[in-house]
Amino acid sequence: NAGVTQTPKFQVLKTGQSMTLQCAQDMNHEYMSWYRQDPGMGLRLIHYSVGAGITDQGEVPNGYNVSRSTTEDFPLRLLSAAPSQTSVYFCASSYTSGALGGTQYFGPGTRLTVL
Amino acid sequence: KQEVTQIPAALSVPEGENLVLNCSFTDSAIYNLQWFRQDPGKGLTSLLLIQSSQREQTSGRLNASLDKSSGRSTLYIAASQPGDSATYLCAVRDFGNEKLTFGTGTRLTIIP
Repeated sequence: NAGVTQTPKFQVLKTGQSMTLQCAQDMNHEYMSWYRQDPGMGLRLIHYSVGAGITDQGEVPNGYNVSRSTTEDFPLRLLSAAPSQTSVYFCASSYTSGALGGTQYFGPGTRLTVL
Repeated sequence: KQEVTQIPAALSVPEGENLVLNCSFTDSAIYNLQWFRQDPGKGLTSLLLIQSSQREQTSGRLNASLDKSSGRSTLYIAASQPGDSATYLCAVRDFGNEKLTFGTGTRLTIIP
């Protein structure tokens, strides 16, 4: 198993540009999520999905969009990049969520800089 | 709102020592608590997951305990090695909430 994969590893954008961060998992996990990690603020949830076709907002959803057309893929779209979105982005997955939610597996991250 | 605190933010110990990392949380209504390790520039690696009904979990030299009533968890590392140097994060999953709430981590350095 490749686990959770993310592309690209690094990205530099100009303010106002849009892009999609890719996330895929090969563990047949129902639950997938996106976090951003900023110094001194820990990891914060952006969006999550409990299954194909179902997504919901997390703690810091503004400026981001997601969709889940397959179990394997959960892309994160930046609609119009802003310097405040400079961060490290992590995708995570687990077999399920809630009371039965188990171990969360994280991807290697995407380091995004917005100029 | 759940808040997770990890103190100290940084810790240095000589190789071979046993050590304890601390994690505290404000709301005891949780599904589980998970300890992660993060190496510089890398993603998070899960170390141990403790369900709310459990008191502790062990994996090799690592032992994690959970005391829900006091809102505390500890990660015990036995016979520390330089390869244990990393940032250690704890995260809780609250009842009725799909997100993990993370602490800001303890950066551990093992001195050879």
